[in-house]
Amino acid sequence: GAVVSQHPSWVICKSGTSVKIECRSLDFQATTMFWYRQFPKQSLMLMATSNEGSKATYEQGVEKDKFLINHASLTLSTLTVTSAHPEDSSFYICSAREHTGAPAFFGQGTRLTVV
Amino acid sequence: RKEVEQDPGPFNVPEGATVAFNCTYSNSASQSFFWYRQDCRKEPKLLMSVYSSGNEDGRFTAQLNRASQYISLLIRDSKLSDSATYLCVVNEAGNNRKLIWGLGTSLAVNP
Repeated sequence: GAVVSQHPSWVICKSGTSVKIECRSLDFQATTMFWYRQFPKQSLMLMATSNEGSKATYEQGVEKDKFLINHASLTLSTLTVTSAHPEDSSFYICSAREHTGAPAFFGQGTRLTVV
Repeated sequence: RKEVEQDPGPFNVPEGATVAFNCTYSNSASQSFFWYRQDCRKEPKLLMSVYSSGNEDGRFTAQLNRASQYISLLIRDSKLSDSATYLCVVNEAGNNRKLIWGLGTSLAVNP
């Protein structure tokens, strides 16, 4: 399968700071990238859909000013959690898809802990 | 009705058993379908795409029934390593960019 790399795999930060998470498709060009959050023992929750060169589409209830998404190239998307708070602690996962109709491949996820 | 529905389980089966999961979807215009597996505290991994004619990959068989709007996954000769959550995914019709996820079916294969 295709390879998607997500970095960092885990991060601990202080409350009020910002954290940037990178998602790269290594062996294909991703026209669409998805950002998810998952709390323990819960299902994936889609936060936003990002298409290269255009603004991300956020799901209802997700604050676009708090979760900044940039998809500047066909192989890179970033999620920045701004002014993080302990309730933002979660498992953040990106996925990338080469074209509509294709399956999405996931990064390894980033476990964020805000203290 | 939810867009994609799965029985959450858990399914507890002995090693060597055959187990089947179903997943129903609400939008008849949906085009592509997938099964993923997710291990605890890990990212989902693509198990297989589901094709109209049905497809098989080793011990795994996926089928699509468009008339009844469901897809299925059959696992034969279950292994301990098959224990995971199995997620059904449907490509949203129309917009065709968003993937709609089921909540997953938990499988535990016991020795």
